[in-house]
Amino acid sequence: GAVVSQHPSRVICKSGTSVKIECRSLDFQATTMFWYRQFPKQSLMLMATSNEGSKATYEQGVEKDKFLINHASLTLSTLTVTSAHPEDSSFYICSARRSGGSYEQYFGPGTRLTVT
Amino acid sequence: KQEVTQIPAALSVPEGENLVLNCSFTDSAIYNLQWFRQDPGKGLTSLLLIQSSQREQTSGRLNASLDKSSGRSTLYIAASQPGDSATYLCAAQGGSYIPTFGRGTSLIVHP
Repeated sequence: GAVVSQHPSRVICKSGTSVKIECRSLDFQATTMFWYRQFPKQSLMLMATSNEGSKATYEQGVEKDKFLINHASLTLSTLTVTSAHPEDSSFYICSARRSGGSYEQYFGPGTRLTVT
Repeated sequence: KQEVTQIPAALSVPEGENLVLNCSFTDSAIYNLQWFRQDPGKGLTSLLLIQSSQREQTSGRLNASLDKSSGRSTLYIAASQPGDSATYLCAAQGGSYIPTFGRGTSLIVHP
């Protein structure tokens, strides 16, 4: 159990367009999901915490108008990169925390975004 | 602010060696510590989760220990295999229940 999926796994888009990435918890409910960004050979940088039914909490330095997060249900959170630029190219990973229990996080397989 | 450091940053060993990967954290008030494996271009696979009240966890050839007072955790890999080659990340989760990640140890096990 505790499987998290992301879609798409890879996406290439042109500068100025918007891209939506989905994160789903397949076999459990997640009141909290997290979005991370990872640069090559770097660690994961937390971008925002997404709580079901409320606004996301963004980390310092992350533009909330550029990275729109919606957590409309207990199994789905979406990250939309608006007006994408080449510097937004990165590996985006989501994680979901099962309600209650050990607060263990389960990670998705990641989405490789390339902006041309 | 929690800071997590992993040493060494990279490691290359012959098959069969026993390995120790180190993780240190600055704020000992953690809720748990988790070790992950990441293959190139892939997401994270959870290996072991140690609650703050625990001293160690074991899974197969992997053993992770936690010493909260000294702010350290180690991941021990017994009888390493080429399939163990990956980046290993540790993450300390504090009272905010948001984990702070280290930069990882890149491991290569060659035949």
